[in-house]
Amino acid sequence: DADVTQTPRNRITKTGKRIMLECSQTKGHDRMYWYRQDPGLGLRLIYYSFDVKDINKGEISDGYSVSRQAQAKFSLSLESAIPNQTALYFCATLGHSTGELFFGEGSRLTVL
Amino acid sequence: GQNIDQPTEMTATEGAIVQINCTYQTSGFNGLFWYQQHAGEAPTFLSYNVLDGLEEKGRFSSFLSRSKGYSYLLLKELQMKDSASYLCAVRGYTGANNLFFGTGTRLTVIP
Repeated sequence: DADVTQTPRNRITKTGKRIMLECSQTKGHDRMYWYRQDPGLGLRLIYYSFDVKDINKGEISDGYSVSRQAQAKFSLSLESAIPNQTALYFCATLGHSTGELFFGEGSRLTVL
Repeated sequence: GQNIDQPTEMTATEGAIVQINCTYQTSGFNGLFWYQQHAGEAPTFLSYNVLDGLEEKGRFSSFLSRSKGYSYLLLKELQMKDSASYLCAVRGYTGANNLFFGTGTRLTVIP
């Protein structure tokens, strides 16, 4: 089983709908991240959390919100989805030793 | 701000050696990472450099020159399965220590 699990893996939705992407991890890491990936733009940081009581905006947080329900769970919400939020979304946790990121399998979101 | 440059695409032959370059300009530096990402999959960690020099790990090596803002990933004895995107990422020296990613280099290995 994957250490960082994302649901759903694929979602097609319509403009204006609310969408939640969920992430859970079994690695015991405190720090969790949400990135989006677009062709030609690379991975860009949306939000990050250092623990349950700590939430921080990344480079591109507008239009998104997050919730850290527990050390192991970090959810990303799109309150009113728009087509330019169509992207591949990755959740990640930060390892304690070298500080490498461990990524989930990704959630592909299409907003029509 | 952060600026990370790497070539968009490269092609190399099975069994050969390929070098993927990365140059960066960041506000502070606290380490450089290379990740491999196969199409439609999650990035996976390859290497980490924080001091100047070469880090070798099997067929993969990564080099860093902090004074030049330069790194490269060297892949030896290329295999077809090495066809993937290679992402260069830099950790800035801020309280958050977040990673900033380049756009990635898509490597195609041909027979």
